[in-house]
Amino acid sequence: SSELTQDPAVSVALGQTVRITCQGDSLRSYYASWYQQKPGQAPVLVIYGKNNRPSGIPDRFSGSSSGNTASLTITGAQAEDEADYYCNSRDSSGNIWVFGTGTKVTVL
Amino acid sequence: QVQLVESGGGVVQPGGSLRLSCAASGFTFSSYGMHWVRQAPGKGLEWVAFIRYDGSNKYYADSVKGRFTISRDNSKNTLYLQMNSLRAEDTAVYYCAKDEVTIFGVVIYRWFDPWGQGTLVTVSS
Repeated sequence: SSELTQDPAVSVALGQTVRITCQGDSLRSYYASWYQQKPGQAPVLVIYGKNNRPSGIPDRFSGSSSGNTASLTITGAQAEDEADYYCNSRDSSGNIWVFGTGTKVTVL
Repeated sequence: QVQLVESGGGVVQPGGSLRLSCAASGFTFSSYGMHWVRQAPGKGLEWVAFIRYDGSNKYYADSVKGRFTISRDNSKNTLYLQMNSLRAEDTAVYYCAKDEVTIFGVVIYRWFDPWGQGTLVTVSS
């Protein structure tokens, strides 16, 4: 089955920009969705499709995709953005779904 | 508002069984596919299973295939996960999530939203 690889951890200064990447062969066929998870809480959708934000998600969150890589960018990171972030897409077979390995974002 | 509430978690011995439930409200449950996703303590998210809106198709992760069964009762707005032959590595918080699909031309976008709060399953002797 396919895998989606993310950097384990990244840090960003308050108010600066951070990009989180997700790599996998299935991303050549399917767009990724992105989820934010804070300690002890359920995941929350932050980006879906080409670059769509659910209502209530700040516009500092954006998504992009190129080839086998999907990216989540936080422009002007805030303290409340400190969390784990996971990408997800369907497997190349189309019948199973795969989560990325997760990236812990620390806001300094 | 859309709400998903899981229940049924607990402590079970290796080799035992457990059935999880996910009660849905705030949307037309019978029109949406549904997923189960789990998270072992301190680990990442793992997709477990999917069921179509009408129950006609079900898909499973290799790690649970043949042991877990996803089902739904649209008359009760409830999703289920029957877990048999449980192993220590099945210990996790189990989340249900609603499947969302949008089609733009020939491109299909798919995502999970919302998620329930999760229910903890502990497999231990």
